[in-house]
Amino acid sequence: QVQLVQSGAEVRKPGASVRVSCKASGYTLISYHINWIRQAPGQGLEWMGWMDPSNGNAGSAQNFQGRVTMTRDTSISTVYMELSSLRSDDTAVYYCARGLTYWIFDVWGRGTLVTVPA
Amino acid sequence: QSALTQAASVSGSPGQSITVSCTGTSSDVGAYDYVSWYQQHPGKAPKLIIYDVSHRPSGVSERFSGSKSGNTASLTISGLQAEDEADYYCSSYTAGSTLVVFGGGTKMTVL
Repeated sequence: QVQLVQSGAEVRKPGASVRVSCKASGYTLISYHINWIRQAPGQGLEWMGWMDPSNGNAGSAQNFQGRVTMTRDTSISTVYMELSSLRSDDTAVYYCARGLTYWIFDVWGRGTLVTVPA
Repeated sequence: QSALTQAASVSGSPGQSITVSCTGTSSDVGAYDYVSWYQQHPGKAPKLIIYDVSHRPSGVSERFSGSKSGNTASLTISGLQAEDEADYYCSSYTAGSTLVVFGGGTKMTVL
């Protein structure tokens, strides 16, 4: 079945970077965009950015510009999201989600908890 | 502060109908018919239940329906069931580099 499998939980110090992976199965990675959405503890959802795995084009929300980098390895059907200059308020569950369009997310990964202690 | 405004909580009894509202602006909800709704149970990933204001993905119950008027979108759940107890988030396409904005979420409790 169609699924997105994400990497495991991470703990990082303030100022460090973290890379989260998202492996697609059950469909062809390059056929759909991958989006990244995060959720701080007890809070709502926040859209971070998108990537087109077919050509590597990507875009990010204004809040994350300059701090987020999205890459892919199509040979292993995997997309990566790297967030740099981490702060304690970056502590959140990070989800990857398949984009049917720029605004419809139909398949989600289970999420990756990134913890940045204060 | 979220870009789209949702009530923090709503509740209803089994069998009732409830409506969750999502208010944006003329730059997002009011400008495009690109509103989606997601259901999230505790500890789980969100699930798409409505897209493009009123369309249901395959496999989603007909008890879920969506609509929009001006800058406000609405999700209606009819015939409320215990399994509907969850958080519900709206989202909308918006122009600019931040392509998608979410609401703060509404916690739906089945009494």
